[in-house]
Amino acid sequence: QTVVTQESSFSVSPGGTVTLTCGLRSGSVSNTNYPSWYQQTPGQAPRTLIYSTNIRSSGVPDRFSGSILGNKAALTITGAQADDESDYYCVLYMGSGIRVFGGGTKLTVL
Amino acid sequence: EVQLLESGGGLVQPGGSLRLSCAGSGFTFSSYAMTWVRQAPGKGLEWVSSISVSGTNTYYTDSVKGRFTISRDNSKNTLFLQMNSLRAEDTALYYCATLLSHAFDVWGQGTMVTFSS
Repeated sequence: QTVVTQESSFSVSPGGTVTLTCGLRSGSVSNTNYPSWYQQTPGQAPRTLIYSTNIRSSGVPDRFSGSILGNKAALTITGAQADDESDYYCVLYMGSGIRVFGGGTKLTVL
Repeated sequence: EVQLLESGGGLVQPGGSLRLSCAGSGFTFSSYAMTWVRQAPGKGLEWVSSISVSGTNTYYTDSVKGRFTISRDNSKNTLFLQMNSLRAEDTALYYCATLLSHAFDVWGQGTMVTFSS
C-alpha cells in the first residue's frame, strides 16, 4: 500500500516563507508522479493550487510555487498571509490510474 | 460559470446502496476525465475513483473495488458513483472533480453519505 507523507502541522509568521513537503514512505517523488497541491479551509471544498509539480492553477497567486526538493515534492508559500491558514494536501499519481493523497498539513499563520 | 453539482447523498444502512450523481455545467463535460474524492468527518481527503473521457477506463482505490462503480453519461453531462455493500467507513463527504493533467481541477461542493446503524 502506497503511503504519501506530509508534515502534520507547520507554522509560519505573517510575511514569512514556508515549504511543505510531500514524500513517499518507500521511494522518491519525481515529476512522473505529477505532484499536485490543494488548499482547504474548514467547511469548504478543496482549491487546486499546483499541478504537474510546478504549474499554478488559474487564479493562484505567484507566491505559491511547487518544486521537487531532493526526493520529495514541495509547496513553497512566500510572503505568507493570514488567509493562507488552511489545510494543504498533496496528491501523487502512482501510475495505472491510481492517485494517492497525503495526510495533509495544517498550516498556522501566526 | 464552470460548475459541478453533486447529489444523491443521504442516510444509508449497513450493506445498503446509494447512487451519487454529479452534474457538470459551463464546460464541455465530455472532454474531461472525472473523479470522485471523499472526506470522512474530521479526516483528510481520499481519492476514490476516476473515469476516462469515454468511460471506457475506470480506476478505484483498493477499499472500494468490487463495491463501487463509477460511470458517466456524456449526453447528460453527468457523472455517477454507484455504491453497494456500504460500510461504516464509507461515511464521508463525496466530492466530484474534473481531472486535468493528472490533477483534480474543478471541484463540486460535495454530497454527504452518512451511515446509519
